[in-house]
Amino acid sequence: SQTIHQWPATLVQPVGSPLSLECTVEGTSNPNLYWYRQAAGRGLQLLFYSVGIGQISSEVPQNLSASRPQDRQFILSSKKLLLSDSGFYLCAWNGRKGSGANVLTFGAGSRLTVL
Amino acid sequence: ELKVEQNPLFLSMQEGKNYTIYCNYSTTSDRLYWYRQDPGKSLESLFVLLSNGAVKQEGRLMASLDTKARLSTLHITAAVHDLSATYFCAVRGINSGGSNYKLTFGKGTLLTVNP
Repeated sequence: SQTIHQWPATLVQPVGSPLSLECTVEGTSNPNLYWYRQAAGRGLQLLFYSVGIGQISSEVPQNLSASRPQDRQFILSSKKLLLSDSGFYLCAWNGRKGSGANVLTFGAGSRLTVL
Repeated sequence: ELKVEQNPLFLSMQEGKNYTIYCNYSTTSDRLYWYRQDPGKSLESLFVLLSNGAVKQEGRLMASLDTKARLSTLHITAAVHDLSATYFCAVRGINSGGSNYKLTFGKGTLLTVNP
C-alpha cells in the first residue's frame, strides 16, 4: 500500500532563517506531488506541484521554492523565512492512472511557526 | 478563475439532528472532493464525486453532486459528537489537465456536535 511521509512535524524558526521540509511517498512510482499551505483559520492554498523529477510548477509568487530530486521525494525550501510563512504545510500525492488518479492523499503535515 | 464557496462556515448542531453543508463552485468541473480535518491534523478523504447525479454514503454522511447547478451537498444524518471536525470541499477545474490535480478548496465548515 502507498504511504506518504512528511518531516519535521513541527518547526519553530526565527525570521531570516532557512527552511527545508521534506516529503516522500512509498509504494508507488511516478506520482504527481503537491505542496499546499493552510494558514491559521483558513482554507488550503496550492503552492507547488510536480509531475516528474525536476519538474516544478509554482502557483503563487512567494518566498518559497520546491524541488523534486527523486521520483518520490518533494522538498519545500526557503532561504530566508518571513513571519507570513507561518502555517501548516501539507504534502499530497496522486497516481497517474486508474483509481489512484482520482484521490489526492495528504501527508500528516508540517506545522511551521516563524518568530 | 475557479472559486469554491462553502456554507455555512460554522455549524453547531445537537446530537441526533440532521443538517446539510453546501458547496458551490464557479466554473465547470469534472470532479469534486469532500475532506475531513480534525484539529491539528491533516486532511482525510471522505468522498470523490465524478459525475452529475453522483451520490455516495458512508455512515451518517452522504454527499451528492449536481454539475449543472455546480453544487455539491454533504448531508449529516443523526449527528454524533465524533463527527465534530472541519469539512472541506475541493474542486478540480475542467482545464486542470490530465496529469495534475490542482484542487481549489473551499474555506471549510467547522462542525461542532453538542450532546
